Amino acid sequence: AQSVTQPDIHITVSEGASLELRCNYSYGATPYLFWYVQSPGQGLQLLLKYFSGDTLVQGIKGFEAEFKRSQSSFNLRKPSVHWSDAAEYFCAVGAMEYGNKLVFGAGTILRVKS
Amino acid sequence: EAQVTQNPRYLITVTGKKLTVTCSQNMNHEYMSWYRQDPGLGLRQIYYSMNVEVTDKGDVPEGYKVSRKEKRNFPLILESPSPNQTSLYFCASSLSGQAWSTEAFFGQGTRLTVV
Repeated sequence: AQSVTQPDIHITVSEGASLELRCNYSYGATPYLFWYVQSPGQGLQLLLKYFSGDTLVQGIKGFEAEFKRSQSSFNLRKPSVHWSDAAEYFCAVGAMEYGNKLVFGAGTILRVKS
Repeated sequence: EAQVTQNPRYLITVTGKKLTVTCSQNMNHEYMSWYRQDPGLGLRQIYYSMNVEVTDKGDVPEGYKVSRKEKRNFPLILESPSPNQTSLYFCASSLSGQAWSTEAFFGQGTRLTVV
């Protein structure tokens, strides 16, 4: 069955440090890939999306993600984290073959130390 | 402002007392869905709707009902809530009926506690 795995439940980084959040998926075909952010008390907001083309995708708020087909991964990165980036981050995957929906990972909670 | 609006934001209720969580979007989106978010499980889809009068079960539909009588509204109904339905609920909408390839816009969430 298709699945989305975010191996890290919690991550803590210092303000100004770089960040990488991991996402792996198990799908037969190349799916649509998304990263969403959920700030405390808020709904989810799209950071970026990938389906085809350049494997390095730029998003909002200075985030980027790299698609690696050989590793079935779509990791989210940011060169320098700000305190306002503290939030929960969700990787989501969709593919027509697996139903008309997005499947979400369990989420990674990011804490930023000052 | 384009948005998805859920009400109420917080709700505490007792077991068995019927409740409805409303969801409305002002973007003329075709697709709407409900998710529940539980720690360690991410978001799981409860029900979805591809258009007016078209609804279908998601991954965790037991204990829930929905309706889509108008394009903008998609209420979630719990006929007889139980404590295992205590969760954070999100309504979402997408412009295209192809939800697997389209950005979803989320409401701010409804935190439901069933005692």
